[in-house]
Amino acid sequence: DQQVKQNSPSLSVQEGRISILNCDYTNSMFDYFLWYKKYPAEGPTFLISISSIKDKNEDGRFTVFLNKSAKHLSLHIVPSQPGDSAVYFCAATQGASGSRLTFGEGTQLTVNP
Amino acid sequence: ETGVTQSPTHLIKTRGQQVTLRCSSQSGHNTVSWYQQALGQGPQFIFQYYREEENGRGNFPPRFSGLQFPNYSSELNVNALELDDSALYLCASSPDTGRYGYTFGSGTRLTVV
Repeated sequence: DQQVKQNSPSLSVQEGRISILNCDYTNSMFDYFLWYKKYPAEGPTFLISISSIKDKNEDGRFTVFLNKSAKHLSLHIVPSQPGDSAVYFCAATQGASGSRLTFGEGTQLTVNP
Repeated sequence: ETGVTQSPTHLIKTRGQQVTLRCSSQSGHNTVSWYQQALGQGPQFIFQYYREEENGRGNFPPRFSGLQFPNYSSELNVNALELDDSALYLCASSPDTGRYGYTFGSGTRLTVV
């Protein structure tokens, strides 16, 4: 039962263009969503998050959009840079404690110079 | 401030053996979570420890067990290793059981042969 899904295993974009990574979830109890970035041989690094009471959160080049009715969120990176090339994981959690994160399968983003 | 450190970085074990993985939490963090990341998949929650007590468990059998010590370092023990246990094991610490501030280590790559 995959409660968080990232349907695109890979995405390739040109430097300077927009990267859009998508994530869908099935559990309506999820109320907090996070994006992590992972380079090879490193642990996931927190990127940006959004609470279910919002539909958008922005941090520099990164913006996360949440569509609760569609149970869909997306991460926009503008402009994309070669250093953004990594695996991006969407994660979700529920409740005040947030003791567990449920991750998607990840999307490998490659930004070409 | 130090990050989360895990040891060893790589390990090869034989099916049926037992293994202990170690994690040193980030300074000031009293909560540690363990995740299993199989090849091509996202991390899956194993369990969480808060102040030396188990505080949530994912869908893993009892042969996966853990400990958290008074200094908040942690161990993951796996008995009767199976080939499917081959994965990257990630430790994440946070300052509380809350959803904020999860810091991941680089992981231990376990190969069961």
